[in-house]
Amino acid sequence: DVKVTQSSRYLVKRTGEKVFLECVQDMDHENMFWYRQDPGLGLRLIYFSYDVKMKEKGDIPEGYSVSREKKERFSLILESASTNQTSMYLCASLTGGEGTDTQYFGPGTRLTVL
Amino acid sequence: AQSVTQPDIHITVSEGASLELRCNYSYGATPYLFWYVQSPGQGLQLLLKYFSGDTLVQGIKGFEAEFKRSQSSFNLRKPSVHWSDAAEYFCAVGSGGYNKLIFGAGTRLAVHP
Repeated sequence: DVKVTQSSRYLVKRTGEKVFLECVQDMDHENMFWYRQDPGLGLRLIYFSYDVKMKEKGDIPEGYSVSREKKERFSLILESASTNQTSMYLCASLTGGEGTDTQYFGPGTRLTVL
Repeated sequence: AQSVTQPDIHITVSEGASLELRCNYSYGATPYLFWYVQSPGQGLQLLLKYFSGDTLVQGIKGFEAEFKRSQSSFNLRKPSVHWSDAAEYFCAVGSGGYNKLIFGAGTRLAVHP
């Protein structure tokens, strides 16, 4: 079974803090993704990575950065958290890049920025 | 630009009733289409996917979906809903390389006993 884990289920931070969200997958997948989920908007892609140290911007990268130093770990960084970044964050991974492959999702981190 | 529309934000059905969740997509080429389900407090789980061949796709938990190119639709169906099917359902289309997904806004399903 593919397992994607996220470091925290719930997180509360203050405006201006630097926030790290961690994601780990155990299936040697090349591609990893960070999404943000908001009511009425579905999931929106923030960043993705197709290899170690490689990253690409998604649809809403502003205010975020990412790090992928090891294949199994993909971190999302909020350099200076703001209240409009209060949201559910979902990490996903998949092997290869074929269109038919399946993305496997972690349980999500619900972040509240006060 | 590619997009996915799920016209129904909330749907309520009675247990045992049939279900159809609508999904329309906009995509220039042959689409790769997915349905995911998110139970409360959980991540997303793949129900089924379509990429070629038979336009009627069977998935897990008794769900099926039909790809209709002429209508740009990929509606999800289940003949008899169970209370445990209460969840949020997302339709998605694969976009470009690296299998990026574009998601619809989701449909929240409530099941009455």
